[in-house]
Amino acid sequence: DAGVIQSPRHEVTEMGQEVTLRCKPISGHDYLFWYRQTMMRGLELLIYFNNNVPIDDSGMPEDRFSAKMPNASFSTLKIQPSEPRDSAVYFCASRPVWDNTEAFFGQGTRLTVV
Amino acid sequence: GDSVTQMEGPVTLSEEAFLTINCTYTATGYPSLFWYVQYPGEGLQLLLKATKADDKGSNKGFEATYRKETTSFHLEKGSVQVSDSAVYFCALQTGANNLFFGTGTRLTVIP
Repeated sequence: DAGVIQSPRHEVTEMGQEVTLRCKPISGHDYLFWYRQTMMRGLELLIYFNNNVPIDDSGMPEDRFSAKMPNASFSTLKIQPSEPRDSAVYFCASRPVWDNTEAFFGQGTRLTVV
Repeated sequence: GDSVTQMEGPVTLSEEAFLTINCTYTATGYPSLFWYVQYPGEGLQLLLKATKADDKGSNKGFEATYRKETTSFHLEKGSVQVSDSAVYFCALQTGANNLFFGTGTRLTVIP
């Protein structure tokens, strides 16, 4: 398996624009997590899914952020409208239901909002 | 709530020096403990883990022992290499579905 795949790797956008980040989890993994990494706050869990269903979105910072998982092999994190303070690295991670002791991370999307 | 307190960085060491990165935790119940490593431009990778008290996790020359009495999980390596330069994250998991990460410690090893 190629691992968790995220796209794009880098995104630069203007304030007010819509941004969509994409993630393909490892095949067979039932859990998918979205994290945000910033210098100030470190790694924060935004939302996670189990079998495509959002379970806990309490980490989503505000209504401008939304996440979907239409099927087991694809998830999106959308920011609309984007703001400069959303600039961060966004990671997607997945893990199987039979082993809750390791999460597999993608390479991340570096988002810059100018 | 559950949390991880990790030694502030950055840490700069000469090659072959001894490494310790401190990590303490606060948790209800009996968490599993982890060290993840992030190399430049990459996502996090699991380095080692321990799921119960007194367990020792080890990998690539790194070790950490789950100490319930001191609520600690310090990372150690006897002789670091330049290739160990990375950011190291201590993390805990209580329940099935969330990892709480420390703030990360950047390690730079110079030849």
